[in-house]
Amino acid sequence: EAQVTQNPRYLITVTGKKLTVTCSQNMNHEYMSWYRQDPGLGLRQIYYSMNVEATDKGDVPEGYKVSRKEKRNFPLILESPSPNQTSLYFCASSLTGVEPLHFGNGTRLTVT
Amino acid sequence: GESVGLHLPTLSVQEGDNSIINCAYSNSASDYFIWYKQESGKGPQFIIDIRSNMDKRQGQRVTVLLNKTVKHLSLQIAATQPGDSAVYFCAETRSGSARQLTFGSGTQLTVLP
Repeated sequence: EAQVTQNPRYLITVTGKKLTVTCSQNMNHEYMSWYRQDPGLGLRQIYYSMNVEATDKGDVPEGYKVSRKEKRNFPLILESPSPNQTSLYFCASSLTGVEPLHFGNGTRLTVT
Repeated sequence: GESVGLHLPTLSVQEGDNSIINCAYSNSASDYFIWYKQESGKGPQFIIDIRSNMDKRQGQRVTVLLNKTVKHLSLQIAATQPGDSAVYFCAETRSGSARQLTFGSGTQLTVLP
């Protein structure tokens, strides 16, 4: 089944403790991106990647890092999480970046 | 700044009735529009899209209308079913670019029995 898989689905952590949210897609998509979803603010893009070793900032990149060493994986890294990064995170992909996105089922992160 | 917004945050309809969800956009350069459906606990799912050279596009039980004159987009769902209960987002972009996609804040559709 074609899908975008995120792990974990739920994560509770403390301020400053580094964490990684993984994202993997099995559709051989070139384009991948990360969004955060907050009440009243909709989906906002954090980072995106047009292809392997090609990443770029989205609208809200501060406090986040990403890497794209393989086409299928696009992990989101929070080096020093803070409470304002408490949010619902979505990974998404598309074949070349001009088609509708395929989304994962989300990771709910709480930073205390 | 440029924004995509929805007229109503919530919409309740009777099962079997038609639903209309509206969306306003302000970026006149936008040429590609998408509707997504997000069910509880899941990620957004593509429903239908439309390009700016079209006024209307139909899918299975769904129709998207685009009025470029007033920068308005709507999603019509025919014979609404309980499984249609979800949050619906419109999104807009230029040149179909996913990296420039801007999402609205969503409308919660509730289907009443």
